Amino acid sequence: EPEVTQTPSHQVTQMGQEVILRCVPISNHLYFYWYRQILGQKVEFLVSFYNNEISEKSEIFDDQFSVERPDGSNFTLKIRSTKLEDSAMYFCASSEALWAGEAFFGQGTRLTVV
Amino acid sequence: AQRVTQPEKLLSVFKGAPVELKCNYSYSGSPELFWYVQYSRQRLQLLLRHISRESIKGFTADLNKGETSFHLKKPFAQEEDSAMYYCALRKTMGAGNMLTFGGGTRLMVKP
Repeated sequence: EPEVTQTPSHQVTQMGQEVILRCVPISNHLYFYWYRQILGQKVEFLVSFYNNEISEKSEIFDDQFSVERPDGSNFTLKIRSTKLEDSAMYFCASSEALWAGEAFFGQGTRLTVV
Repeated sequence: AQRVTQPEKLLSVFKGAPVELKCNYSYSGSPELFWYVQYSRQRLQLLLRHISRESIKGFTADLNKGETSFHLKKPFAQEEDSAMYYCALRKTMGAGNMLTFGGGTRLMVKP
């Protein structure tokens, strides 16, 4: 069964450094998402991406965040200058259709900012 | 703005006992509701959605618009049901199709 793949599984970075989290969505999917979950808190939506542009973003997704689909397979989340409060599990998801499609999630990247 | 509430962080039952995981929502329109499950060390995966009205692994959930609830039920819990369960809502009005999650309930099924 096809899966969404995320790398790395765990990333430790120093405050102020840039990080790039990588995702390979399911190949025939058209809609891509990033969510995050701070330890002990809810899974929160960050951004959705379709047709090479952001279709929706939350208040969390400020100027420090950016997303890109650099080639036909990867979908990346960049945090420009990490803060301690960016420490969280980051989930990538993809779906085939907009309204009827199930969102398939990756296994997550645990980001620890020290 | 939409909101999903799961009032129980932890639910512990014995094998064979009935299970009900509660989910309440607030949304001004007619929502699309889902239950996702995360087994230990695995990814979030869809368990069921209200529009399909199906039973998966013995679980069912009925949307009650009057009570704005979408509780997940199973008549006889199994040990392999132990996992984290998340209720999620997707808007059906306006732009965007992102999911709004509840805080999750950890279900522990004891032998």
